[in-house]
Amino acid sequence: KAGVTQTPRYLIKTRGQQVTLSCSPISGHRSVSWYQQTPGQGLQFLFEYFSETQRNKGNFPGRFSGRQFSNSRSEMNVSTLELGDSALYLCASSLGASGESGQETQYFGPGTRLLVL
Amino acid sequence: AQSVTQLGSHVSVSEGALVLLRCNYSSSVPPYLFWYVQYPNQGLQLLLKYTSAATLVKGINGFEAEFKKSETSFHLTKPSAHMSDAAEYFCAVTGNTPLVFGKGTRLSVIA
Repeated sequence: KAGVTQTPRYLIKTRGQQVTLSCSPISGHRSVSWYQQTPGQGLQFLFEYFSETQRNKGNFPGRFSGRQFSNSRSEMNVSTLELGDSALYLCASSLGASGESGQETQYFGPGTRLLVL
Repeated sequence: AQSVTQLGSHVSVSEGALVLLRCNYSSSVPPYLFWYVQYPNQGLQLLLKYTSAATLVKGINGFEAEFKKSETSFHLTKPSAHMSDAAEYFCAVTGNTPLVFGKGTRLSVIA
């Protein structure tokens, strides 16, 4: 079974631009979560989608948004990029939604490394 | 609310020595606990998880962790370190919220 895939793997943007990252979950998984990883803040939860609905949202500004499609693929968008948005963005998928069953294991993709200049 | 504290941002061991990475958690509900490993320029790989079935959990690559409710701990151990174990390790907790991660511990293995 193929793992979680993320595209693109690397991205360079300039301040003020917007960016869209894509995540394809493991086949059959209906939940997709997004995380931002930086050296200073570590791994921070962005949001979670389950069956095309946002279930949870982390403490990030409205410039960060996402969506999930009927095939469970997910995209996240960051508008008006800032230098501080430079990070590794990780996507994780699981069968069910977090909170419903803490046993749900999240499987992570390789990440998209975003550099904002 | 849930939180995780990983003691020691960097741990260094000799090849063949015991690996001990510490994790303490805080949770208002019965927790589910995870250890993930991250190799350079890669995503997170699940090492093991605790789901209340057994307090001693065995994972991949010879790692195991013991859940101790009285100490609110979930420390990760491996009897004998290998050079390939050098990576960053993250402890995470969930219960009724999305995963909350610790800051991570970088493990170095010295030949």
